[in-house]
Amino acid sequence: AQKITQTQPGMFVQEKEAVTLDCTYDTSDPSYGLFWYKQPSSGEMIFLIYQGSYDQQNATEGRYSLNFQKARKSANLVISASQLGDSAMYFCAVTGGSYIPTFGRGTSLIVHP
Amino acid sequence: DAMVIQNPRYQVTQFGKPVTLSCSQTLNHNVMYWYQQKSSQAPKLLFHYYDKDFNNEADTPDNFQSRRPNTSFCFLDIRSPGLGDAAMYLCATSMGGTNTEAFFGQGTRLTVV
Repeated sequence: AQKITQTQPGMFVQEKEAVTLDCTYDTSDPSYGLFWYKQPSSGEMIFLIYQGSYDQQNATEGRYSLNFQKARKSANLVISASQLGDSAMYFCAVTGGSYIPTFGRGTSLIVHP
Repeated sequence: DAMVIQNPRYQVTQFGKPVTLSCSQTLNHNVMYWYQQKSSQAPKLLFHYYDKDFNNEADTPDNFQSRRPNTSFCFLDIRSPGLGDAAMYLCATSMGGTNTEAFFGQGTRLTVV
């Protein structure tokens, strides 16, 4: 069984500042994938970034980076230079041994002007 | 152009009256998923298809059924909706693999009155 824990129900950040959203995971599979998704109030989940369990380097996609600490089973999302449009729910997910993503409860991010 | 389309966006149904939610995809992906998402909770997988193979989660109530008549379409049938079934229902697709992201529709918000 797989599990994702997101301990921050809500986060606030000032526009143009960086913010880190926490995610820890638990899986017994040696090969797995870690994903972050953004869900605006409109409802659609949008894929942001992926990290494979065997990847040596942290993933980056534009303003998004994933701080992957395998020994600690941690996969934190870092958003640099926050924008007002970044206000949304953010979900961490893991696929381990299968293609089925298991999601965490999410973190609500609010960006203040 | 939207690649995963859910209809309707909003559905109001009466207690006990059968309802069907639909999902279509233009990505030709093997896997289609149905998730139930309630406020402040992680999306919960109800079932998924890998091609024509149907996979039901052990804790999905019998009240929920699904059909996938072809690669492009998938339906969620709720035979006798209860008040506890009010939620956002998310359809997603993927190519199937631990390193492939899921693509989501905009969701259907179901209200039971």
